[in-house]
Amino acid sequence: GAGVSQSPRYKVAKRGQDVALRCDPISGHVSLFWYQQALGQGPEFLTYFQNEAQLDKSGLPSDRFFAERPEGSVSTLKIQRTQQEDSAVYLCASSLVGVRSTDTQYFGPGTRLTVL
Amino acid sequence: GQQVMQIPQYQHVQEGEDFTTYCNSSTTLSNIQWYKQRPGGHPVFLIQLVKSGEVKKQKRLTFQFGEAKKNSSLHITATQTTDVGTYFCAGPDSWGKFQFGAGTQVVVTP
Repeated sequence: GAGVSQSPRYKVAKRGQDVALRCDPISGHVSLFWYQQALGQGPEFLTYFQNEAQLDKSGLPSDRFFAERPEGSVSTLKIQRTQQEDSAVYLCASSLVGVRSTDTQYFGPGTRLTVL
Repeated sequence: GQQVMQIPQYQHVQEGEDFTTYCNSSTTLSNIQWYKQRPGGHPVFLIQLVKSGEVKKQKRLTFQFGEAKKNSSLHITATQTTDVGTYFCAGPDSWGKFQFGAGTQVVVTP
């Protein structure tokens, strides 16, 4: 595709609900990253995939957060039993090669999650 | 762990003025990237610096990587209203994950 797309763009959830956020990376991009961006802060790394393999999930804040990329393209970030502190913009980025290179990351528009 | 810090947090500039924003890392970086995020938008890649002391220019924007590869700066000349947004720097940690600074939010007064 022309760029990284994410859906939904906005999500409002009641505390305790489960949510699923989708990311469509640029076609052919090997690497996919999820970031969490709180208001007024820079993106914080959550997890990283190289093709379908999740190579790093050290940034996931709790075991309520789960990410997958089963076929090495589309990725889903799932948050179970949402809490108010999960409210943030969730950004997805993809790059052609990998995190250990100097490759450029292309960001999607993000999903703004609000937990009431 | 590695920390990436940016100063100032906010930059109010009159249109036509110059300003500089700074990025400092607690560790030596293999490279540094700069991104711009417009209000309500997502980070957009601007540039990457790799070599010690490297200077790159994009029109009115000048990016510099420090000699020790622990700091970087972004200088904007003759600021325009189109420069409004938050500028982030990001550097890879020892595992290759990019750590972002908190950003410099730029507000331009016509």
